Amino acid sequence: NAGVMQNPRHLVRRRGQEARLRCSPMKGHSHVYWYRQLPEEGLKFMVYLQKENIIDESGMPKERFSAEFPKEGPSILRIQQVVRGDSAAYFCASSPKGGAYGSPLHFGNGTRLTVT
Amino acid sequence: ELKVEQNPLFLSMQEGKNYTIYCNYSTTSDRLYWYRQDPGKSLESLFVLLSNGAVKQEGRLMASLDTKARLSTLHITAAVHDLSATYFCAVGNHPVTGANSKLTFGKGITLSVRP
Repeated sequence: NAGVMQNPRHLVRRRGQEARLRCSPMKGHSHVYWYRQLPEEGLKFMVYLQKENIIDESGMPKERFSAEFPKEGPSILRIQQVVRGDSAAYFCASSPKGGAYGSPLHFGNGTRLTVT
Repeated sequence: ELKVEQNPLFLSMQEGKNYTIYCNYSTTSDRLYWYRQDPGKSLESLFVLLSNGAVKQEGRLMASLDTKARLSTLHITAAVHDLSATYFCAVGNHPVTGANSKLTFGKGITLSVRP
């Protein structure tokens, strides 16, 4: 039973390029969350999606960042025109639809984005 | 805005001794989670605490929740090197029926166990 799959594990982009991070939730999970972790910091919530629906994007920067979770395929976090401050580890987590209340989020291994 | 504070941020522990670390949060919540993260790795769920007075134990770790004080403690018994990692607590913002809503994380406490 595969866990949450994120790719790539490491991504290097030059300033101004676009970064695309992918996340396939655990089998049977239809809720996806994206978090960002800066060095020496905890995880900061970015966005919560269900299939074809953004439920809560209160943590997303207003510009350059977008996320989707299409009917088919993985969830994508897209960062346009990356800047050095975007360098961080980006974690995806998933949970099942109608899962037991309070059940923990299952995290992927993260994508470590480095902007040069 | 919900704030989650953990202290201390770094703790050097001696093998075999007992320690307690803390997690405070600022507004009412009914869900608190503890996660462990090894360097460069993902987060592993340790405990889910859903009610006042909840206590969970796994091996040398025991977590408890006091919702009135908005405080969770993680107690470590007879520390061993394998427990060296960063421990995060996370609190649920809204009591949503069914699916989870977003979690707010503390900055984490890095534990280092020395011989």
